[in-house]
Amino acid sequence: DAKTTQPTSMDCAEGRAANLPCNHSTISGNEYVYWYRQIHSQGPQYIIHGLKNNETNEMASLIITEDRKSSTLILPHATLRDTAVYYCIVRALGYNFNKFYFGSGTKLNVKP
Amino acid sequence: EPEVTQTPSHQVTQMGQEVILRCVPISNHLYFYWYRQILGQKVEFLVSFYNNEISEKSEIFDDQFSVERPDGSNFTLKIRSTKLEDSAMYFCASSTGLAGGTGELFFGEGSRLTVL
Repeated sequence: DAKTTQPTSMDCAEGRAANLPCNHSTISGNEYVYWYRQIHSQGPQYIIHGLKNNETNEMASLIITEDRKSSTLILPHATLRDTAVYYCIVRALGYNFNKFYFGSGTKLNVKP
Repeated sequence: EPEVTQTPSHQVTQMGQEVILRCVPISNHLYFYWYRQILGQKVEFLVSFYNNEISEKSEIFDDQFSVERPDGSNFTLKIRSTKLEDSAMYFCASSTGLAGGTGELFFGEGSRLTVL
């Protein structure tokens, strides 16, 4: 699995956009970028994923650089409930494609 | 919205005792997983299960661990003789596993195991 690098923690003001970066410089051509989050000690929650195009859903937007070596998860209007650990994971589709390795993630603190 | 459910939410046991953690995956999912998270540490992969057999396991998943899908709906993790270091939150997950699918895993809320 390609490794990812994320900042240990970030702060964001409530109502502002939260931009969480991730470096994945060794990503392979068939590897997707996935984002999950874990609120307190709950089960990880899927947010979004992409291959090379930017993606948007009801939770967030994912911006992937043209060379695919980094990406940014954007929470457009962060709320206190978005305080969580955010994990950037790269994974190929294939045999056992659904196994994910979780790193240390970024602890996002949304402040009032 | 369909969800993965886990029981019990919290179990306290004595060292050396057997523990069974139960999970009901989402009904049309084909791949099942167990992960664990020791307090303050990373979420760690334990095992994946497909077509009634283990498809992959980590080095953590030693002979003390076993998984089973006894009745087509439940998916269980058994720890035969618990050790203090087995104290952790155990997460069950499932996915469709279909070729061309999103690869998204759906996680349960976890079962906290405390070994005394």
